[in-house]
Amino acid sequence: QVQLVESGGGVVQPGRSLRLSCAASGFTFSSYTMHWVRQAPGKGLEWVAVISYDGSTKFYADSMKGRFTISRDNSKNTLHLQMNSLRVEDTAVYYCAREGREARPNDYWGQGTLVTVSS
Amino acid sequence: DIQMTQSPSTLSASVGDRVTITCRASQSISSWLAWYQQKPGKAPKLLIYKASTLESGVPSRFSGSGSGTEFTLTISSLQPDDFATYYCQQYNSYSKTFGQGTKVEIK
Repeated sequence: QVQLVESGGGVVQPGRSLRLSCAASGFTFSSYTMHWVRQAPGKGLEWVAVISYDGSTKFYADSMKGRFTISRDNSKNTLHLQMNSLRVEDTAVYYCAREGREARPNDYWGQGTLVTVSS
Repeated sequence: DIQMTQSPSTLSASVGDRVTITCRASQSISSWLAWYQQKPGKAPKLLIYKASTLESGVPSRFSGSGSGTEFTLTISSLQPDDFATYYCQQYNSYSKTFGQGTKVEIK
């Protein structure tokens, strides 16, 4: 069955960096576009970034452009999110999500990993 | 960026009630609209995509309608498992924005 497992979250000081990972299994990872979505504590969902199946195309939410980098390693079935210059307002649970077939947007999600930016 | 506005933010209802949630887009998104259900501490679950297509395994009491800029999610007869927060999401553009959410509470 499809599984997405995020890791790499934790507590980090403002201005520092963190790299999140998402291990995929149960499907042909290299054939699917993948997304990161985040959710601040008690708040709604916020789309972060997307990467095409082969890594050639990437898009970011405006508030993360220039600070976050999405990447993937299809040989290891792993999605990454490199987060630099972190701010207190980046505190959130970060989810990776698969973009489905036949017009499905995000059909499978991981359980999320919590990033806390605090001094 | 396309902005998505949901209403109401909170909805109090009883088991058996018919419930409707509205989502408006700041510009036309054709039918590129999805609805998700999220329960506390859990990842969102896809309910409906392309405005009105029910995801496999989702009960038929859920339905979606609309196109262009105005969309609705309807639960025909609210069940105890349906108390949750619901989000719309546009995927017409590369920036796939969500609505702010509608919490469905027990009346």
